[in-house]
Amino acid sequence: SQTIHQWPATLVQPVGSPLSLECTVEGTSNPNLYWYRQAAGRGLQLLFYSVGIGQISSEVPQNLSASRPQDRQFILSSKKLLLSDSGFYLCAWSPTENEKLFFGSGTQLSVL
Amino acid sequence: GQNIDQPTEMTATEGAIVQINCTYQTSGFNGLFWYQQHAGEAPTFLSYNVLDGLEEKGRFSSFLSRSKGYSYLLLKELQMKDSASYLCAAMDSNYQLIWGAGTKLIIKP
Repeated sequence: SQTIHQWPATLVQPVGSPLSLECTVEGTSNPNLYWYRQAAGRGLQLLFYSVGIGQISSEVPQNLSASRPQDRQFILSSKKLLLSDSGFYLCAWSPTENEKLFFGSGTQLSVL
Repeated sequence: GQNIDQPTEMTATEGAIVQINCTYQTSGFNGLFWYQQHAGEAPTFLSYNVLDGLEEKGRFSSFLSRSKGYSYLLLKELQMKDSASYLCAAMDSNYQLIWGAGTKLIIKP
């Protein structure tokens, strides 16, 4: 069966520090991969999605970036965190673009 | 523009029935999803509707009217564990999901 792993679960980082969140999927090949951010009281905001290795689409211009170095690995990064980067980050995958999403357990990021 | 509306919060009693409404406006339409999200956890898939009508799955049912841009999630025989946020998401013609802000459902004994 397919599983998705996302870590860490919580992270507290100072403003200006770098960020690296990792997500891996097991039990499937060539998944569509997504990074979302969820702010309190707001809908899920799509940050990046990828349909294959090295293929990244950015939905929102910001100081975050994403990479897909391997088929089932998706990484969210930042060189310098801002206070506004605080939030709940979710990685997700789907078999194809028009199917349901399966979410990782999420990372609660607090930038202080 | 593309938009999803759903109530911010609802309260219901254990054992009762509750209906959570969702209206959407999207550029094209490729289906409507409902997810459940407990506090601090990831959303989990509940239902998917692409054709008009009612889809029943145990205690949960989901309805879609494409002509009205409207969906609802119906929860029967409410249990305390149903206390969660319920997220409505519509898929547009580019297969992008447009998400509502979620409805927080509070279940009282």
